[in-house]
Amino acid sequence: QKEVEQNSGPLSVPEGAIASLNCTYSDRGSQSFFWYRQYSGKSPELIMSIYSNGDKEDGRFTAQLNKASQYVSLLIRDSQPSDSATYLCAVNGGYQKVTFGIGTKLQVIP
Amino acid sequence: EPEVTQTPSHQVTQMGQEVILRCVPISNHLYFYWYRQILGQKVEFLVSFYNNEISEKSEIFDDQFSVERPDGSNFTLKIRSTKLEDSAMYFCASPGTSGSNEQFFGPGTRLTVL
Repeated sequence: QKEVEQNSGPLSVPEGAIASLNCTYSDRGSQSFFWYRQYSGKSPELIMSIYSNGDKEDGRFTAQLNKASQYVSLLIRDSQPSDSATYLCAVNGGYQKVTFGIGTKLQVIP
Repeated sequence: EPEVTQTPSHQVTQMGQEVILRCVPISNHLYFYWYRQILGQKVEFLVSFYNNEISEKSEIFDDQFSVERPDGSNFTLKIRSTKLEDSAMYFCASPGTSGSNEQFFGPGTRLTVL
């Protein structure tokens, strides 16, 4: 059974701080790793994808992947109140199904 | 990025009734997926569809579920005899146009079974 584990939170950070979200996965065969943002009552929105070990930066977001440790993280710099949402870690292999974690609820305090 | 669209946005039905949820994925892609999310729980995979055939399905996708492509652009998810526990958000997803395996989700259909 492929599993993706996340702390459900909530994670509270002050506005302007760095939010650090973490995720572990069980299937060593996973090839693709994603972070989705989900606002309450809305659908998941893809914000980052990462496929190889190391860091990938996109604006205020940095995704980090360590396949040896089966660990994925997302850093959000200069956090804004609009970043308050649930962040879903997800993994898949190729064009197969995506397996999601429960999500970490982030609260950015103004 | 092109959008995935879904209809209806909200469907209320009585237990035992059939419902059909519709989706228009990002065009010209052979892959297509359905997921569901029960309130407060994980997003769960239901079924994947490749080139007009089911390529993978989960344990949730039992005989009461079916997926079809009635025409070239639309996909449907049919639940034949709904149960209370089928109440959830149902999302369709498809890869984008970049050639990667990223999956982009539609806005979802909220199904309420009474």
